[in-house]
Amino acid sequence: QLQLQESGPGLVKPSETLSLTCTVSGGSISSSSYYWGYIRQPPGKGLEWIGRVYYSGSTYYNPSLKSRVTISVDTSKNQFSLKLSAVTAADTAVYYCARLRFGGAPDVWGKGTTVTVSS
Amino acid sequence: EIVLTQSPGTLSLSPGERATLSCRASQSVNSNYLAWFQQKPGQAPGLLIYGASNRATGIPDRFSGSGSGTDFTLTISRLESEDFAVYYCQQYGSLPFTFGPGTKVDIK
Repeated sequence: QLQLQESGPGLVKPSETLSLTCTVSGGSISSSSYYWGYIRQPPGKGLEWIGRVYYSGSTYYNPSLKSRVTISVDTSKNQFSLKLSAVTAADTAVYYCARLRFGGAPDVWGKGTTVTVSS
Repeated sequence: EIVLTQSPGTLSLSPGERATLSCRASQSVNSNYLAWFQQKPGQAPGLLIYGASNRATGIPDRFSGSGSGTDFTLTISRLESEDFAVYYCQQYGSLPFTFGPGTKVDIK
């Protein structure tokens, strides 16, 4: 059974870089059938799609975050990672990683990790 | 960017009743690549429907999706206690992929 698990600091200072890793177990991140993505949810609010990566390293980012986001993949570790630079309080959210079916529909989600931006 | 609007914002119903949730797109969704998700408090969302009308693995048949182009509907034929939650639609036919603001289904 495929499982995804987010890991990373729960507290990041303003202007610094948020870094998260998603570890995939029970399946291969190198499958040609899927993309892998990050989605976030600010407290009490809706879902925001951050971006996606393919096992080849090909990426697409939400234009609203594009200047600050990098998503990368490490097939040897079966992991993919998110970096979000120059964070502010508005980046405080639960961050989810997910497998993307048909390139965009998240069909398997991690449990999510809460990241708070505060000094 | 395709903007998704969901209505109503909140739907108050009793167990056993039928729920009809709407998702409207600002422009046509390519290939009807429209998904529905259910989210309960403190949990990650779960995929219910993909491709507008296809139930995801393990989803009961009381959940059904319909629609095409710009108008989509999620129907829960008879609400059970575990169905009271927030429901989101998402389009994945055009980049950037976008989510609707959600409909909360609560107990009347």
